[in-house]
Amino acid sequence: GDSVTQTEGLVTLTEGLPVMLNCTYQTIYSNAFLFWYVHYLNESPWLLLRSSTDNKRTEHQGFHATLHKSSSSFHLQKSSAQLSDSALYYCALSGYTGGADRLTFGKGTQLIIQP
Amino acid sequence: GPKVLQIPSHQIIDMGQMVTLNCDPVSNHLYFYWYKQILGQQMEFLVNFYNGKVMEKSKLFKDQFSVERPDGSYFTLKIQPTALEDSAVYFCASSAGQANTEVFFGKGTRLTVV
Repeated sequence: GDSVTQTEGLVTLTEGLPVMLNCTYQTIYSNAFLFWYVHYLNESPWLLLRSSTDNKRTEHQGFHATLHKSSSSFHLQKSSAQLSDSALYYCALSGYTGGADRLTFGKGTQLIIQP
Repeated sequence: GPKVLQIPSHQIIDMGQMVTLNCDPVSNHLYFYWYKQILGQQMEFLVNFYNGKVMEKSKLFKDQFSVERPDGSYFTLKIQPTALEDSAVYFCASSAGQANTEVFFGKGTRLTVV
């Protein structure tokens, strides 16, 4: 079945440094759609980014990611980390319709930004 | 923005008892979901629900689980009887459609079976 791998469980960075959170996936569907969700403690997870077409960059709130089907990756990046970026980040995959039907999540990466 | 409300936020229950987790989805949404997250692990899909019916369920959706949304009220997940391995955070979610549609999640209900 589908799977999503986030290699880092915890990333600690100093404010102002660039952020990169890794996400790779496996799916039998050629039309995979990838998502990044953000989860602040005691809040609801919410959608940060959704993939576009292959090799096309998508951006939102200073973060960006590019779906690379050749490497099955959708890494999340930001040029300069802010304290408010500290949260749990989940990469998720939707295999065929690209939407809500059934999301497969990675284990999440806890991002901590220090002053 | 749109909110999914989950009631209660925490629930402690004796093994073997029944529990009902309640979810108030976004008002105009038509598709509803439950996900389960055991401590330290990823969120895993349980079930999706549309037009009064279960559309798809995972192997985690045991026979002891059931979902319903009677007359447009709460979307509920019932576990009867509960087992120790049912202890987890259960997230409800909803969406307006399926294809390429944003999913909105609740804050989760932490269920502890003792």
